[in-house]
Parts: sequence; structure tokens; C-alpha cells
Amino acid sequence: DSGVTQTPKHLITATGQRVTLRCSPRSGDLSVYWYQQSLDQGLQFLIQYYNGEERAKGNILERFSAQQFPDLHSELNLSSLELGDSALYFCASSVARGGAGELFFGEGSRLTVL
Amino acid sequence: AQSVAQPEDQVNVAEGNPLTVKCTYSVSGNPYLFWYVQYPNRGLQFLLKYITGDNLVKGSYGFEAEFNKSQTSFHLKKPSALVSDSALYFCAVRDGGVDSSYKLIFGSGTRLLVRP
Repeated sequence: DSGVTQTPKHLITATGQRVTLRCSPRSGDLSVYWYQQSLDQGLQFLIQYYNGEERAKGNILERFSAQQFPDLHSELNLSSLELGDSALYFCASSVARGGAGELFFGEGSRLTVL
Repeated sequence: AQSVAQPEDQVNVAEGNPLTVKCTYSVSGNPYLFWYVQYPNRGLQFLLKYITGDNLVKGSYGFEAEFNKSQTSFHLKKPSALVSDSALYFCAVRDGGVDSSYKLIFGSGTRLLVRP
């Protein structure tokens, strides 16, 4: 158990809908990262937050947004969903802002868009 | 731009034999290198990392990795494979420079299959 909690574990929805994925980092970790894992594109970095502020942005679509709350949990919002958004979404956390610390991953949220 | 390559989609090895999963990297500045393992329907688990120092890094579950700066490689190794080692392995790199964005960039993954 990494200590990172993600909900829901599975989510099935229709095209055009909006969903919210939630992540609770390990106790004491200030950084939260979101990744998307799909069969054709592997693990893609989406976005990072550190202590409530956006720190780095990757290949995140404009239809997607995220935030980190004062209690350090984070939410990833996916809107106007398309079939291609079906993927496994991982949250990871680390204690530091960056540098040498490894990331600790949650079990992921599997999104299926029909 | 930082990148990491895992040239093998799959590695097959017999139980008890040594295994190697290959990884090469390309970064500006000093590399911070990581190996993760993913079991079916699970998240990624950290195995080991190289930051600086000894080129041979020891990690979890008997795995080790060898950092080779001249060949820009960071291959994962284990002297004696177990069937339970069968999983998806990811190499990752983070740019250790001052202007690092701090994210991890992952390779495409290598599926390790250990046969009994």
C-alpha cells in the first residue's frame, strides 16, 4: 500500500459527460501529480500541484482541469468526454517540490467512456 | 528534451536465470533515474533510483540497476528471476537541473515474462 488513495476505482460514463477523479496523497506529501495511462500512448504526465499551486503542466487537454485543495487532496476534472479519454488515470505524490524524491502512486481510476 | 527509451516490448526468461530489462535516456544536465514495476490492475511501485554516487544501485525485491553515463543507460537486473517477477516494468527519468519541471518521464514499458 503506497498510502495514496484514489476514488473511484472504476467509472463508466458516456461521451459528452463530465467526471471528477479524486486523490488523497500520502500523509505529509505536498506534491501531487496526475498521469494518464493508455494502451497507445503509455504513461503521460498531465499536471503537478505543489501545496495548492500548479507547478508543472504536461499533455493535459483543455477539457481537463485539476486543483489541489488546502487539505492537499486533489481532483482531476474531465469534461466533454470522448471515447479516446478512456484510460487509467493515476495520481502520485511526493514529499518534496521535486528533485530526487520518488513518486508514490495510487491504484488508479479506470475510466471507460462509451 | 528529456526522454527515455525501453527498446524491448517484452523480455522472456526462465525462472532462476538472470534477467536484464534495458533502458536508455536522454537528458540535459544530470539525470535522476528510476525504475517502477506495475502488476496487473495495480498502480506503479517504486523499485529503485539513481541520483548520484555508486553506479550500481540496489532496490526492492532483489533488483538492481547499473548506471552507465557513457552509454546513457540504466538497465534493470536481477541475478535469479522468479515467476512472481512477471509484470510491466517502467524506466523513468527526471531532469535534475535547476530549471527542472520535476515531473517523471516514463518509457513505454517492458513486459517481463518469467516462465517456470
